[in-house]
Amino acid sequence: AQKITQTQPGMFVQEKEAVTLDCTYDTSDPSYGLFWYKQPSSGEMIFLIYQGSYDQQNATEGRYSLNFQKARKSANLVISASQLGDSAMYFCAMREGLGSGGYNKLIFGAGTRLAVHP
Amino acid sequence: EAQVTQNPRYLITVTGKKLTVTCSQNMNHEYMSWYRQDPGLGLRQIYYSMNVEVTDKGDVPEGYKVSRKEKRNFPLILESPSPNQTSLYFCASSSPGQGASEQYFGPGTRLTVT
Repeated sequence: AQKITQTQPGMFVQEKEAVTLDCTYDTSDPSYGLFWYKQPSSGEMIFLIYQGSYDQQNATEGRYSLNFQKARKSANLVISASQLGDSAMYFCAMREGLGSGGYNKLIFGAGTRLAVHP
Repeated sequence: EAQVTQNPRYLITVTGKKLTVTCSQNMNHEYMSWYRQDPGLGLRQIYYSMNVEVTDKGDVPEGYKVSRKEKRNFPLILESPSPNQTSLYFCASSSPGQGASEQYFGPGTRLTVT
């Protein structure tokens, strides 16, 4: 079964508007972390934001915020005031078993390609 | 500057010709991983290492080998590359710990096997 599902292969948004990229996850582990990465056309992976399963508040980093709904197992990325430079592929990822002492790999979704139009 | 470097960045090779993609990090991280990225599949882990001389298989290890003789280096070896290994490869490193122990990714290596 898919552990990370990103149902939007592609999205577009007008410059200066807000956009939400969807991510749902599946885990039975009570301790996990959720990440969003941005991959511009140049190919590098850029870390954007992190949410821990026990964090009480939604994470925010500048124009990025994570809408964390634990009961629904969703961790949507909200980008406010979109800029042309936000055009990129966005990946949601999960890390299970935090604090278990072992290596915790990242499990990635398929990604959402965002296009920002002027 | 903290970074993960990979070489080469681009490689076109032929089926069966052994190749090595190097990965090096300067952050003294214990953990290192290799991922491959394919359209519609996101990134999938190939191998990982928790420390020197400690490596283990990820989700898609077939056709790959790794070694970790030094803490900073984690090369990916394709003994006999095949066309289905054409992909974008990322090396990543991180320190152990809980929470937002983010993985630092290298710039990627785009491999084409003909």
